[in-house]
Amino acid sequence: GAVVSQHPSWVICKSGTSVKIECRSLDFQATTMFWYRQFPKQSLMLMATSNEGSKATYEQGVEKDKFLINHASLTLSTLTVTSAHPEDSSFYICSARVQGASGYTFGSGTRLTVV
Amino acid sequence: KQEVTQIPAALSVPEGENLVLNCSFTDSAIYNLQWFRQDPGKGLTSLLLIQSSQREQTSGRLNASLDKSSGRSTLYIAASQPGDSATYLCAVGGYNNNDMRFGAGTRLTVKP
Repeated sequence: GAVVSQHPSWVICKSGTSVKIECRSLDFQATTMFWYRQFPKQSLMLMATSNEGSKATYEQGVEKDKFLINHASLTLSTLTVTSAHPEDSSFYICSARVQGASGYTFGSGTRLTVV
Repeated sequence: KQEVTQIPAALSVPEGENLVLNCSFTDSAIYNLQWFRQDPGKGLTSLLLIQSSQREQTSGRLNASLDKSSGRSTLYIAASQPGDSATYLCAVGGYNNNDMRFGAGTRLTVKP
């Protein structure tokens, strides 16, 4: 089946640094990927929709200058958390919908801890 | 904006019980509905996917139903096992935004 590979699975960074998270569709082309954030004991909240070759669409309240999304190819989308702060510590997960099929495939998630 | 609600928020049952998890959504114009399982600190595992034109899907001990008109879905787990302990998430895929909206989840504990 369709697989989305997400890296890294966990990362610890210092406050003020930037962190890049990658999501790759391994056996299909993903024109659209979705980025979610999940705080402890809460559900997944959509942050932004990543479109190949165009600008991402951000949900209300999500700072586009802080969460940079790049979708330069049909198999790769990246989320960069810039100038990370402890409050950005969260679980970030991406998903993609396989063209011609239904349902969404999710990456394994990235646990970000900012110290 | 689609709102997805899951009840109960937490559930604890003895091993062997049959149980039902509930999901409701406010906008019936959905593309599909998907149930996921999430173990602590882990990603999502897709359990069942129901298309908007379908009423139910089954996989092993799991059965999911969909009543689009009333905005409800249920996940039925038969003969629960301790290994079923996890958080179960309901997510609704929408036509317009082509994304998924999640409920807050039901945290299930099955006691041996």
